[in-house]
Amino acid sequence: QQQVKQSPQSLIVQKGGISIINCAYENTAFDYFPWYQQFPGKGPALLIAIRPDVSEKKEGRFTISFNKSAKQFSLHIMDSQPGDSATYFCAASKGSQGNLIFGKGTKLSVKP
Amino acid sequence: SQTIHQWPATLVQPVGSPLSLECTVEGTSNPNLYWYRQAAGRGLQLLFYSVGIGQISSEVPQNLSASRPQDRQFILSSKKLLLSDSGFYLCAWSVRDRGLNGYTFGSGTRLTVV
Repeated sequence: QQQVKQSPQSLIVQKGGISIINCAYENTAFDYFPWYQQFPGKGPALLIAIRPDVSEKKEGRFTISFNKSAKQFSLHIMDSQPGDSATYFCAASKGSQGNLIFGKGTKLSVKP
Repeated sequence: SQTIHQWPATLVQPVGSPLSLECTVEGTSNPNLYWYRQAAGRGLQLLFYSVGIGQISSEVPQNLSASRPQDRQFILSSKKLLLSDSGFYLCAWSVRDRGLNGYTFGSGTRLTVV
């Protein structure tokens, strides 16, 4: 009930391509879904977040797609760049005060 | 603006030695505070969280402990380190009611137990 399952574990994309990372959850009480980006040796930083009242949120080249019925959400990175190479974590929480439950992360490498 | 400080950045400690990692937050009051551990190539494991001074919740039983002696100070300790304690330790904070805001993480401490 508390798990957030993230896939793939690693991803290699050519420059200019689309990177897609998927997450699934089981707890229907979750209502806050952020994505974090982590560069080597640094702490994760909030990238984009969504609540289940919308099916999609876009910020620049980053888009979250949310499917409430399937209990899945995904991160799309359009026109992927080498600078996007990092580890990405999805997360979920119940309410705005609940602890975040993180996925295991996806290591993205964007090849020039 | 709010900032989070975590130190030291790197630490090499022998097995059996004590540990003290400190995290402080500036520019906010009554934050929720968190300690996470990230093993090499692994995800983020929540170790402890605190909603107030002296209030510590432990998520994973182990030989680590946490304390919050002041509102914006969070300390991770161990009396005797094990090899398995090696990892990347991250402190994070959030406001009580986050809205669409998530956690803000510190820059981490790379701990190697030898």
